Amino acid sequence: EDQVTQSPEALRLQEGESSSLNCSYTVSGLRGLFWYRQDPGKGPEFLFTLYSAGEEKEKERLKATLTKKESFLHITAPKPEDSATYLCAVQAGGLDSGNTPLVFGKGTRLSVIA
Amino acid sequence: NAGVTQTPKFQVLKTGQSMTLQCAQDMNHNSMYWYRQDPGMGLRLIYYSASEGTTDKGEVPNGYNVSRLNKREFSLRLESAAPSQTSVYFCASSEVLKGTSYTFGSGTRLTVV
Repeated sequence: EDQVTQSPEALRLQEGESSSLNCSYTVSGLRGLFWYRQDPGKGPEFLFTLYSAGEEKEKERLKATLTKKESFLHITAPKPEDSATYLCAVQAGGLDSGNTPLVFGKGTRLSVIA
Repeated sequence: NAGVTQTPKFQVLKTGQSMTLQCAQDMNHNSMYWYRQDPGMGLRLIYYSASEGTTDKGEVPNGYNVSRLNKREFSLRLESAAPSQTSVYFCASSEVLKGTSYTFGSGTRLTVV
């Protein structure tokens, strides 16, 4: 069974205090690992897709990395507007497995205090 | 704005009542999904439709039915609502390609009393 575990459940940072969120996964053939941001009362918003170990992607203060067992979302010098819940998800299956749905972790709730 | 539209945004039902949650996308995506989100449980897949004319069960399908009305629309029906179905429901759509991200609607907050 495909599983995604995110840690910590909640993280409180001072503005400018860099940190990382963890996403550990077990999946039968990784087609893609996804990071989403979710603000209160809204749907998740896409951030990154990572496909293979060693891959990195950046967007403003966020940088996502991937290994064979986990992904990290690094937040550099966060600002209060980075406060949100960050969701990790995996898509399983090999090249011929079709469009298997994403399996999500429970998320990390990030609060950045000014 | 292009995207996924869900209606209604809020709904209160009495136990045993039925209702249909509507979802429509205007991005010409082939695949559509229904998830529910509960505190401490994350997003769990209820049903999905990989393409028009097909539907499949997800992790938590009991108590729900779906209809892929056409390529744009995917509805979720609760035939006899139960308090355990109190949740926030999200519809999403995507293309059928490796690593294609989902586009989510803004959600329907359902309370069953």
